[in-house]
Amino acid sequence: DTGVSQNPRHKITKRGQNVTFRCDPISEHNRLYWYRQTLGQGPEFLTYFQNEAQLEKSRLLSDRFSAERPKGSFSTLEIQRTEQGDSAMYLCASSLALDSNEKLFFGSGTQLSVL
Amino acid sequence: SQELEQSPQSLIVQEGKNLTINCTSSKTLYGLYWYKQKYGEGLIFLMMLQKGGEEKSHEKITAKLDEKKQQSSLHITASQPSHAGIYLCGADIPGGSQGNLIFGKGTKLSVKP
Repeated sequence: DTGVSQNPRHKITKRGQNVTFRCDPISEHNRLYWYRQTLGQGPEFLTYFQNEAQLEKSRLLSDRFSAERPKGSFSTLEIQRTEQGDSAMYLCASSLALDSNEKLFFGSGTQLSVL
Repeated sequence: SQELEQSPQSLIVQEGKNLTINCTSSKTLYGLYWYKQKYGEGLIFLMMLQKGGEEKSHEKITAKLDEKKQQSSLHITASQPSHAGIYLCGADIPGGSQGNLIFGKGTKLSVKP
């Protein structure tokens, strides 16, 4: 297994368009997370799944954002009617929730630029 | 709300020199993580600390969590160009779900050969 995989690596879109990102976690990991990172800032939590259930959503996740993990494996993050403020790196992470020592493995991210 | 402050914001060192990066929390830390990020890439896990006074080392990198569990330091001995990148500290949010971490803004490290 090569780790957490994210596609595409880069996405340029025009304001108002919809975009969808995909994340393939490490195969045996049951938890999957989405984070957003803007330039010069640390990542900010957006949402997470345990298997196929979306258990927590940040207030940062507006109504234009939707995430799914239909079969408890890969996940998609969709942004509708993109705005320039959505430009950021979108990071996916996964973990195997066994105990309190939870280590997140991050993907390389999808860099979104909204023109 | 809890905040993590990292210092310095950026650091340029000569290869072979030692350096320290600090991470200070406004509240007690219950799980402190150190990650490294190359520009435009994802985060690479370095170490996790939980207990006051805990210290962990991996190769030339040592991380410590103070007894009061409000400050952590990352120390690199005999720095190399491969150590260059952005170092981020992250912490569990008390009462939050596991994996819901807050992060500092990062410390950008450059190592001059």
